[in-house]
Amino acid sequence: RKEVEQDPGPFNVPEGATVAFNCTYSNSASQSFFWYRQDCRKEPKLLMSVYSSGNEDGRFTAQLNRASQYISLLIRDSKLSDSATYLCVVNVNNFNKFYFGSGTKLNVKP
Amino acid sequence: NAGVTQTPKFQVLKTGQSMTLQCAQDMNHEYMSWYRQDPGMGLRLIHYSVGAGITDQGEVPNGYNVSRSTTEDFPLRLLSAAPSQTSVYFCASRTGTSPYEQYFGPGTRLTVT
Repeated sequence: RKEVEQDPGPFNVPEGATVAFNCTYSNSASQSFFWYRQDCRKEPKLLMSVYSSGNEDGRFTAQLNRASQYISLLIRDSKLSDSATYLCVVNVNNFNKFYFGSGTKLNVKP
Repeated sequence: NAGVTQTPKFQVLKTGQSMTLQCAQDMNHEYMSWYRQDPGMGLRLIHYSVGAGITDQGEVPNGYNVSRSTTEDFPLRLLSAAPSQTSVYFCASRTGTSPYEQYFGPGTRLTVT
């Protein structure tokens, strides 16, 4: 069983739409959670960390549900520049090992 | 700022050849890691290092060696390349403190024929 599971998409949405992605993790001992963004043929870059109480950064909101073992990312007022693959990342017990989901692809259309 | 650099950007090897992928960072980060990214698989950890002289295995270490003689450099060696090692390889570094953000290099696209 994979440590981290994501819907691969693609999610095709118009500009200005609100879109949400979920990610589930298998290990209840998971400690840290992140969303990374990866553009086509580029390296991943940190979008935001996910805190227990949920957190917001501009148009982006991340939530953690430990009971159901999932994290979510909400993007409001989508921009063309939001088109990318969004990677869910989880750290389990050991801060040296991070597990990546396979990513959810978002296409924002004009 | 250079950040994390990787060379080469592209490489084609024949089965059985060996080579070293180079990774360097100029941020004085203690932690460095190597990942491979395959379609539909996400990034998987190959090896990591928590400081100069200290390395350990990740999820998929077979067929790869690493060493960390300096804080800046963390090369990945393919001992005898196989077609299953065709992948995109990313090197990453981070500090030892929260929020544990990883900074990635631009990647090396390796094809083994």
